[in-house]
Amino acid sequence: QQPVQSPQAVILREGEDAVINCSSSKALYSVHWYRQKHGEAPVFLMILLKGGEQKGHEKISASFNEKKQQSSLYLTASQLSYSGTYFCGTEGYAGGTSYGKLTFGQGTILTVHP
Amino acid sequence: EAGVTQSPTHLIKTRGQQATLRCSPISGHTSVYWYQQALGLGLQFLLWYDEGEERNRGNFPPRFSGRQFPNYSSELNVNALELEDSALYLCASSWKATNEKLFFGSGTQLSVL
Repeated sequence: QQPVQSPQAVILREGEDAVINCSSSKALYSVHWYRQKHGEAPVFLMILLKGGEQKGHEKISASFNEKKQQSSLYLTASQLSYSGTYFCGTEGYAGGTSYGKLTFGQGTILTVHP
Repeated sequence: EAGVTQSPTHLIKTRGQQATLRCSPISGHTSVYWYQQALGLGLQFLLWYDEGEERNRGNFPPRFSGRQFPNYSSELNVNALELEDSALYLCASSWKATNEKLFFGSGTQLSVL
C-alpha cells in the first residue's frame, strides 16, 4: 500500500524551513527519501532503518518513528537548489509481501523562490 | 563510473503493439527495479529482479513482464499496449537486494497512440 505524503506542495522563500511527512498503514523496516528535479531521474537523499534514527545530509535531515510508521524530512535554510519533488519510499519486513518492494508516496512538490 | 543506462530514450507505439525497454545497471549491482511514472501518479513499483530471478512485482497486469540476464541487465516487455501505458519508465539498480539506495536511470518515455 502506497505511503501518504503531506503536504502535497510547499512554496518557500530562500532561507525558510519546511517539513515533509510520510505515513504508512503497514509495519515498516525502512524509509527512503529521494528528490526528483523536473525532467531528471530521482536522486537518493537518505535511508532510515527501524530504530528511530535521525540522519542528516547537508541541511536536510530526516527522522523515522517505527512505532507510528511515520517519517519526516526536514529542510532547513532552504536554497533554490532544493526545488523539486520529494518522494518517500517504504519497505516492509523480510518475509512479507512488501519486502524488497520499495513503494513510493505520491510526492511533495517543493518550490523555493529567491 | 557509468550510471544506470536505459534505452531507448523515447518510444512511440500504437495501441495493441508490444514495447521492449532495456536497462543496464551500474557495474557490480545485481538488483534491478522497474517503476512506472505516469503524469501526476508518482512512482509506481512494477518489478524487482535480483540475481536473475523475479523477486517481487507490483499491481500490474501480466502483460507487463520482464527478465534479468546473466550480466544483470534487464528488459521490460509490455504486451498489448493500451493508451494508459503512456508514461516514463524508470529503471533503478542497487548493489544488494534490499535496504540500499537506488540509482535511477533517466528513463524511457513511452507514448502509446
